[in-house]
Amino acid sequence: QSVLTQPPSASGTPGQRVTISCSGSSSNIGSNYVYWYQQLPGTAPKLLIYRNNQRPSGVPDRFSGSKSGTSASLAISGLRSEDEADYYCAAWDDSLSGLWVFGGGTKLTVL
Amino acid sequence: QLQLQESGPGLVKPSETLSLTCTVSGGSISSSSYYWGWIRQPPGKGLEWIGSIYYSGSTYYNPSLKSRVTISVDTSKNQFSLKLSSVTAADTAVYYCARQYCSGGSCYYYYYYMDVWGKGTTVTVSS
Repeated sequence: QSVLTQPPSASGTPGQRVTISCSGSSSNIGSNYVYWYQQLPGTAPKLLIYRNNQRPSGVPDRFSGSKSGTSASLAISGLRSEDEADYYCAAWDDSLSGLWVFGGGTKLTVL
Repeated sequence: QLQLQESGPGLVKPSETLSLTCTVSGGSISSSSYYWGWIRQPPGKGLEWIGSIYYSGSTYYNPSLKSRVTISVDTSKNQFSLKLSSVTAADTAVYYCARQYCSGGSCYYYYYYMDVWGKGTTVTVSS
């Protein structure tokens, strides 16, 4: 069981807007930044969003992140076929001596 | 352009020690701006952070793995390494190394997030 909870799957048609949720607790999302990663099939994760809502250079503005309380969301607008991938949220967790925790991942299918 | 490359045996026997090295190219591992980390992904499953190291040798580990993990750095070779002892089939995974960066403000060690990843290497634990 992952510390951060994500829906296992999501889907949308080209051009649609899709959101992926990530639920945590006061020890992780509630008190620390949230990060989002995209993992295309057979490849390494790629940073999509850092510090809740910041995009690294080169990441299209179709991708946006938000956080409220102990939950966070990744929104993808203008869905494209190349967005079909697994998406993971991550955060630092203050419990015990501290550790990085991830969501279980959401597989996005572009119909 | 920064690149990270994992290397090491693809097959390890149960109860033995898994050893991997990450070679950093296109940048210096001795930069004070970064930590360097290891993350793994079991087949068909999600990501698990293993631990991280600073160029000075300062480390922090996942508490669930801490008793079995050692991460070290060799600045002369621009490399950092992972050792995981007493492995079982549950340690079978793709192992990634990553650079960790803090984008400003207060940069405590837990503000350094994984921003550049290696391609990963598959390690199977089997006799």
